[in-house]
Amino acid sequence: NAGVTQTPKFRILKIGQSMTLQCTQDMNHNYMYWYRQDPGMGLKLIYYSVGAGITDKGEVPNGYNVSRSTTEDFPLRLELAAPSQTSVYFCASSGTLNTEAFFGQGTRLTVV
Amino acid sequence: QKEVEQDPGPLSVPEGAIVSLNCTYSNSAFQYFMWYRQYSRKGPELLMYTYSSGNKEDGRFTAQVDKSSKYISLFIRDSQPSDSATYLCAMNTGFQKLVFGTGTRLLVSP
Repeated sequence: NAGVTQTPKFRILKIGQSMTLQCTQDMNHNYMYWYRQDPGMGLKLIYYSVGAGITDKGEVPNGYNVSRSTTEDFPLRLELAAPSQTSVYFCASSGTLNTEAFFGQGTRLTVV
Repeated sequence: QKEVEQDPGPLSVPEGAIVSLNCTYSNSAFQYFMWYRQYSRKGPELLMYTYSSGNKEDGRFTAQVDKSSKYISLFIRDSQPSDSATYLCAMNTGFQKLVFGTGTRLLVSP
């Protein structure tokens, strides 16, 4: 029972580099989300998707991009990494808006 | 004012104590209320899910919703060291995305 799988688990980036955080779910969920979690700040929504081909901005989208070409995959792209993007990133999915969201184990990103 | 307010803690209790974790909210349209538990360096996992007002019990855990006061609680009976984690409340109207509290860190000492 894989659920939501995120890769990589850890990454160190230099300022200005780019990378893609991968997220895959095997529950056939329509809704997928990317959050970042900073100490004492809770979960902040970066982007979300309500189905393949449909994405929308959350609270803190600047510096990030997403795509949703399939139901299963929802990668998050960081262009021109900045120290402010040092955080733990969580991908999540849910069947509908008002049902349980399942989370991945997170990607711990440090930008130096 | 944040939509959902939650005391960050930490809340320290001895093993066996009854723990009360709380959130207040401002949006009266919220109908679905959840509690997530997050262990250190792990993703959040759903602990309790309630719809509208009332109580829901699951083992040592009881979730309580008071919509008139815009206040939700999670009670943990006979707390164990393994309950040490951060507890996040979350809620939504059913037509929008989940809104999370910032989380309360709970420490249960043996």
